[in-house]
Amino acid sequence: QKEVEQNSGPLSVPEGAIASLNCTYSDRVSQSFFWYRQYSGKSPELIMSIYSNGDKEDGRFTAQLNEASQYVSLLIRDSQPSDSATYLCAVTLLFSGGYNKLIFGAGTRLAVHP
Amino acid sequence: NAGVMQNPRHLVRRRGQEARLRCSPMKGHSHVYWYRQLPEEGLKFMVYLQKENIIDESGMPKERFSAEFPKEGPSILRIQQVVRGDSAAYFCASSPRAGADHSPLHFGNGTRLTVT
Repeated sequence: QKEVEQNSGPLSVPEGAIASLNCTYSDRVSQSFFWYRQYSGKSPELIMSIYSNGDKEDGRFTAQLNEASQYVSLLIRDSQPSDSATYLCAVTLLFSGGYNKLIFGAGTRLAVHP
Repeated sequence: NAGVMQNPRHLVRRRGQEARLRCSPMKGHSHVYWYRQLPEEGLKFMVYLQKENIIDESGMPKERFSAEFPKEGPSILRIQQVVRGDSAAYFCASSPRAGADHSPLHFGNGTRLTVT
């Protein structure tokens, strides 16, 4: 089982709709959770971080973390064509040497059509 | 306030040549991570370095690949005798500390390596 799993998509939503992106992770010692957005040919850009159970909202974005189910999601409200990109879920794992390592899922492609 | 700087942005090498990718971390950051991204895939961890030390190289192929982060100068990812399968985007990220905090990683623009 992969450490971080995402549905590769594409997820297609109409403009103005809510896009829901999901991610599951396999390691229970994960401590921090991030969503990155990556446009084609560009570097990943951090859009959301979440560190504890529950919801965290930032503008049109809401991250949800359920540690019991090892599940993290990203909701994008009022989706815009400019939101069309690949969304990467990333989980920080803490190692016994006192350092952490960011592990990525394969990404979900989102397409928002006018 | 410069972010993570990577160069070159694009690198073309013939099979069998060497590729050197450079990464200058953000000011004040002494921890560097390298990731590789194959087309249509996520980022795969390769190596984590602190100044003059390799902390975790579990994601780096044992042969042909090496990384360093000297006391002075950028971090270097070196690929010897490149093969077509090395064609990918290589991203570098830096952080100010290694411990159990909530600092996210910020990435450079990447180096896109093409092996012909």
